[in-house]
Amino acid sequence: NAGVTQTPKFQVLKTGQSMTLQCAQDMNHEYMSWYRQDPGMGLRLIHYSVGAGITDQGEVPNGYNVSRSTTEDFPLRLLSAAPSQTSVYFCASSYEPRRAGTFGSGTRLTVV
Amino acid sequence: EDKVVQSPLSLVVHEGDTVTLNCSYEVTNFRSLLWYKQEKKAPTFLFMLTSSGIEKKSGRLSSILDKKELSSILNITATQTGDSAIYLCAVWPNTGKLIFGQGTTLQVKP
Repeated sequence: NAGVTQTPKFQVLKTGQSMTLQCAQDMNHEYMSWYRQDPGMGLRLIHYSVGAGITDQGEVPNGYNVSRSTTEDFPLRLLSAAPSQTSVYFCASSYEPRRAGTFGSGTRLTVV
Repeated sequence: EDKVVQSPLSLVVHEGDTVTLNCSYEVTNFRSLLWYKQEKKAPTFLFMLTSSGIEKKSGRLSSILDKKELSSILNITATQTGDSAIYLCAVWPNTGKLIFGQGTTLQVKP
C-alpha cells in the first residue's frame, strides 16, 4: 500500500533551471493538491485538481505549472527556478474535497 | 480573504502537563476543520470536525469545534516526549482550497 509517492526526496537546482516534482497515488483519489511549507508559514496551496483534466490555482501559483492527465499522477513543474522557491513541497490526495488528505513524504528543494 | 490563525505559535511544556492549542478561522462557507500532527516529515491526520460542540477523542488527544466563535481547540493531556511536533489546523471552505494556519510547535521536555 504505497499511498502517495513523491520523488525526488531532495533536489538542488541552479537559478533558471527547470524540473518536475513527481506525485503519484494509488488510492483512486479524485482530489490532489500541491503545497509548499516555509518556516513559520504553515502549508500554502500551490495548485490543486478535482479530477483528471481539471486543475486550478491555489494561494501561491506563480512560477509553477501542473497538469492532470491521469487520476494517479499530478506532477508539479518549475519552469525557471528562483531562490524564492526554496522550500519543502508536499503532495496530498483525498477522495474528495473537505475530507482528510493523505500526504506524501515531501521534497526538499534548494535553489541556489 | 479566508484565513486561519493558530496560537500559540510555539509552546514548551514538561511531560505530564496538559496543553491546549487554539485555531480560529475566517472563511466563506465553512465546510470542515482538520487537525494534523507533523513530526519529521509529512503531516498525519488527527481529527476532522464539522459540527459544533461534538468532541472528537483519540487516546490523550481531543478536539472540539465552536462554530459560533469560529474556533477549535486541540487538547493533549498527560503529554509525552513523543507528542513533540508541529500541530497544524486547516479549514475547508466551499472553494475547494484547503487553508492552513501557521502551525503550533510543541516541545515536550522530559
